[in-house]
Amino acid sequence: SYVLTQPPSVSVAPGKTASITCGGNNIGSKSVHWYQQKPGQAPVMVIYFDSDRPSGIPERFSGSNSGNTATLTISRVEAGDEADYFCQVWDSDSDHNVVFGGGTKLTVL
Amino acid sequence: EVQLMESGGGLVQPGGSLRLSCAASGFTFSDHYMDWVRQAPGKGLEWVGRSKTKFNSYITEYGASVKGRFTISRDDSKKSLFLQMNSLKTEDTAVYYCAREMGATLRGKSGYYFDSWGPGTLVTVSA
Repeated sequence: SYVLTQPPSVSVAPGKTASITCGGNNIGSKSVHWYQQKPGQAPVMVIYFDSDRPSGIPERFSGSNSGNTATLTISRVEAGDEADYFCQVWDSDSDHNVVFGGGTKLTVL
Repeated sequence: EVQLMESGGGLVQPGGSLRLSCAASGFTFSDHYMDWVRQAPGKGLEWVGRSKTKFNSYITEYGASVKGRFTISRDDSKKSLFLQMNSLKTEDTAVYYCAREMGATLRGKSGYYFDSWGPGTLVTVSA
């Protein structure tokens, strides 16, 4: 089955830029979606189809996807961005055709 | 506004059964694939399965860890999604989320994602 690999944790100072990666075999050929989850809350989609933002998501959130790595970038990080972030793809070749990455805990220093 | 609300969680013994419900509002329920996603305590997200639409013959698909034990169904007239869980194991302990699935083809790539989630309901499997 298809595997998505995320770093367990990323730390960033307020006002700086955070980059969270999601690795997978030829992930650039798939569409990648990103979710933010704060403690005790349901996930919220922040990026879909690699780089599109749903309405209501700040422009500070952006995404890219190429080769074997997709990246969620959060610019001008705020304390309220501290959360877990999960990437997700649809793998048409797998029984587990919805695949999530293991998640990355973003800590704002 | 899209709203999803799960119910039916609770404590159940290993080997037991439980049925979860998800009530939907704010959108045309019958037009959408609907999914269950779970999250064990302190762990990541795991896809449980989906129910496709009437147009797609209400086909259901499941993740490997629940196939044969869990059954997803829906009642479009009541805008509700269900998850029947049988032969429960301690490792099924999790918060179970109902999610609306969206699919599209953009920039030459097809994909499915979850644009709306319910708040979740906790299922605890323990003796």
